[in-house]
Amino acid sequence: DAGVIQSPRHEVTEMGQEVTLRCKPISGHDYLFWYRQTMMRGLELLIYFNNNVPIDDSGMPEDRFSAKMPNASFSTLKIQPSEPRDSAVYFCASSPRPVDRPTNEKLFFGSGTQLSVL
Amino acid sequence: KQEVTQIPAALSVPEGENLVLNCSFTDSAIYNLQWFRQDPGKGLTSLLLIQSSQREQTSGRLNASLDKSSGRSTLYIAASQPGDSATYLCAVNTGFQKLVFGTGTRLLVSP
Repeated sequence: DAGVIQSPRHEVTEMGQEVTLRCKPISGHDYLFWYRQTMMRGLELLIYFNNNVPIDDSGMPEDRFSAKMPNASFSTLKIQPSEPRDSAVYFCASSPRPVDRPTNEKLFFGSGTQLSVL
Repeated sequence: KQEVTQIPAALSVPEGENLVLNCSFTDSAIYNLQWFRQDPGKGLTSLLLIQSSQREQTSGRLNASLDKSSGRSTLYIAASQPGDSATYLCAVNTGFQKLVFGTGTRLLVSP
């Protein structure tokens, strides 16, 4: 398996523009996560899905952020309108269905999207 | 609110040394703890996962321990190599795969 695939690797945009980040999880994984990493705040969970359904979006900073998972192999994170403070590395991760709850499965991360909003 | 702290923030050692990275967390009600490695410009790679009922896990030259009651975990790296240079992050699972990450330790191993 190719692992978790994210695109684009780098995105530079101007304030006010719409940004869409994409993720393809590992085939067969039931959980998908979006994280954001900044120097000031470290890694923060934004939202996660189970079987394509959003379970917890309490980490989504504002209404400008939205995430979708239309099928088991694709998810998007959209920022509209973007602002300079959104500049960060955005990671997507996936994990398998747990044998028992709560899960004790490892997370597998993509390489991230470096977003710069000017 | 769960908070995870890692000490030291940065560490520089010569090749061959054994070293210990520390991780502490404020709420002992965790389900597991994971140690990750992050290389510059790359994603995170899971190294070890310790379930809450376990005391330690080993993988090659890596050994991770967990003392849940005191809110501490350590990552021991034996016979360090330049290829071990990276940032190491610990993360606690607070339930249903919700991970809270530490601040990371940046490790540099010199030849």
